[in-house]
Amino acid sequence: DTAVSQTPKYLVTQMGNDKSIKCEQNLGHDTMYWYKQDSKKFLKIMFSYNNKELIINETVPNRFSPKSPDKAHLNLHINSLELGDSAVYFCASSQSGGTEEQYFGPGTRLTVT
Amino acid sequence: GESVGLHLPTLSVQEGDNSIINCAYSNSASDYFIWYKQESGKGPQFIIDIRSNMDKRQGQRVTVLLNKTVKHLSLQIAATQPGDSAVYFCAEPSGTYKYIFGTGTRLKVLA
Repeated sequence: DTAVSQTPKYLVTQMGNDKSIKCEQNLGHDTMYWYKQDSKKFLKIMFSYNNKELIINETVPNRFSPKSPDKAHLNLHINSLELGDSAVYFCASSQSGGTEEQYFGPGTRLTVT
Repeated sequence: GESVGLHLPTLSVQEGDNSIINCAYSNSASDYFIWYKQESGKGPQFIIDIRSNMDKRQGQRVTVLLNKTVKHLSLQIAATQPGDSAVYFCAEPSGTYKYIFGTGTRLKVLA
């Protein structure tokens, strides 16, 4: 069974559109994350949520709006997409947000044209 | 400070040889470190971790060494196999609920 799942796997869209990426974890973890990975493989945290509450917003433009309807889900909505938003977006989860491993989803490759 | 991804370093290793992947971390107060492996088209996957009260930790074919004096971390892979080809990241916590990832190293295993 997939521990952390994301949909869609690929997303191709035009500038100015609005899109969402969904994430679910079935590990019973309290903390979930969104990361952005650029073309050089640099992995940077965007958001952290703990028990549905936003904890970290790492200076991400407010065009990005995460939503956590429950502990098992953390979705990412992006408004007015820009070319620079093209990247691979990873959802992850961990038990409590402390010094522990994170479990990553398979990623969503977003291409903005 | 945070790592800046200038380019992705590549390490090419002959199959069967040992691999050593290095990582310099920034925060001398960090007390926990993780190594992740990211295969093509997949998310990062946990390999091994180490706490700052240890200098060395061994797993199956992997060993992590921690040198706190020079803030250096290394991942050693014994008898490297084709399946080890991937990008490897070190990561350290930055407070709670946040991790800083290194720039990554691409390991290529040559047949």
